[in-house]
Amino acid sequence: AQSVAQPEDQVNVAEGNPLTVKCTYSVSGNPYLFWYVQYPNRGLQFLLKYITGDNLVKGSYGFEAEFNKSQTSFHLKKPSALVSDSALYFCAVRDNRGNTPLVFGKGTRLSVIA
Amino acid sequence: GAVVSQHPSWVICKSGTSVKIECRSLDFQATTMFWYRQFPKQSLMLMATSNEGSKATYEQGVEKDKFLINHASLTLSTLTVTSAHPEDSSFYICSARVWSLAVADEQFFGPGTRLTVL
Repeated sequence: AQSVAQPEDQVNVAEGNPLTVKCTYSVSGNPYLFWYVQYPNRGLQFLLKYITGDNLVKGSYGFEAEFNKSQTSFHLKKPSALVSDSALYFCAVRDNRGNTPLVFGKGTRLSVIA
Repeated sequence: GAVVSQHPSWVICKSGTSVKIECRSLDFQATTMFWYRQFPKQSLMLMATSNEGSKATYEQGVEKDKFLINHASLTLSTLTVTSAHPEDSSFYICSARVWSLAVADEQFFGPGTRLTVL
């Protein structure tokens, strides 16, 4: 079975500071990993994904994430946070074997303070 | 990127009535569509997976007779909430994917439908 853990319900960071949103996963096979962002009353916006290749993945809006197989982690990072980054962030995973759906973490609310 | 639309974006209905939500892939053919439900300040919970032309596969705890899913074409899936009750009030999000063994396609998400049952 697939699962995703986002250990932090809320992350607060000052504008201009680096941010990290944590994610760990569990899958039977090799993972396909994703990050999405959701603004209030809106659908999900895709940020980035890891399928294979370089462990450091760069995505939209300056975000990046590092795949760490030994720690089964895929933390989302950004060097310098913006107030407009404040939103709900979801990590998701699916097994690379077959047509399986994405399984989501519970989400982490990021608040960037000016 | 690929676009998925949902209609309506929000709906208010009386308890006991049925509501249909449409999910369309606008510029690609989706072999598989997924329906998720999201409660306030919570994560997306997968309700069911539907493949075009076949019956949907429901997750444990989801009533198939209450949440009717039809995936009649490669661009359209519908979710009908039958005999809706206030506890069915939620944010429903559909997702579409083109799946093949060769490509690990991401799922594309619709904007969601806010259902409020009075």
